[in-house]
Amino acid sequence: EAGVAQSPRYKIIEKRQSVAFWCNPISGHATLYWYQQILGQGPKLLIQFQNNGVVDDSQLPKDRFSAERLKGVDSTLKIQPAKLEDSAVYLCASSSPRGTRGSTDTQYFGPGTRLTVL
Amino acid sequence: KQEVTQIPAALSVPEGENLVLNCSFTDSAIYNLQWFRQDPGKGLTSLLLIQSSQREQTSGRLNASLDKSSGRSTLYIAASQPGDSATYLCASLANDYKLSFGAGTTVTVRA
Repeated sequence: EAGVAQSPRYKIIEKRQSVAFWCNPISGHATLYWYQQILGQGPKLLIQFQNNGVVDDSQLPKDRFSAERLKGVDSTLKIQPAKLEDSAVYLCASSSPRGTRGSTDTQYFGPGTRLTVL
Repeated sequence: KQEVTQIPAALSVPEGENLVLNCSFTDSAIYNLQWFRQDPGKGLTSLLLIQSSQREQTSGRLNASLDKSSGRSTLYIAASQPGDSATYLCASLANDYKLSFGAGTTVTVRA
């Protein structure tokens, strides 16, 4: 079974530039998550999708961050304009919704995109 | 809001020694608790998941316990090996599907 795919793996930009990250979840997983992991900290949830609808985006800085999930499969996370404090690893994860067959509530994580803002 | 704490932040042991990693959480109303492993430059790999009704889970050399009443979980790694060197994160899943992570314990196993 293919895992969660993310690209790019690394990105270096200057502050005030824009950047976009892409995620392809495990086939059949309806729930998709974007996390931000700052160095030395645990991942923090930015946004959660169920199919192509947003379940929770309370921690997403909406003045500069946006995310969408096209047709309930792939997702993109965009930052515009970037700030120095956005330097972090951006992790995408997917899971089967609770109550669905085979669901274990386990989230499967991609390798992440390491963003450096100069 | 759930707060998850992991102590110590870093640990270095000689090969063969048993590892004990601690995790504490403030809200005992959790659905499950998971332990993840994170290698440098990589994503998170789920190691063990303990449902709220369970007391422990085992997988090979790994054993995780859960005490909801005291808000604690412990990950034991027996007979550590250099390949066990990584950062270990615990995370609690609330009934609203939200995962709250600790900052992790970075383990170094010296050959």
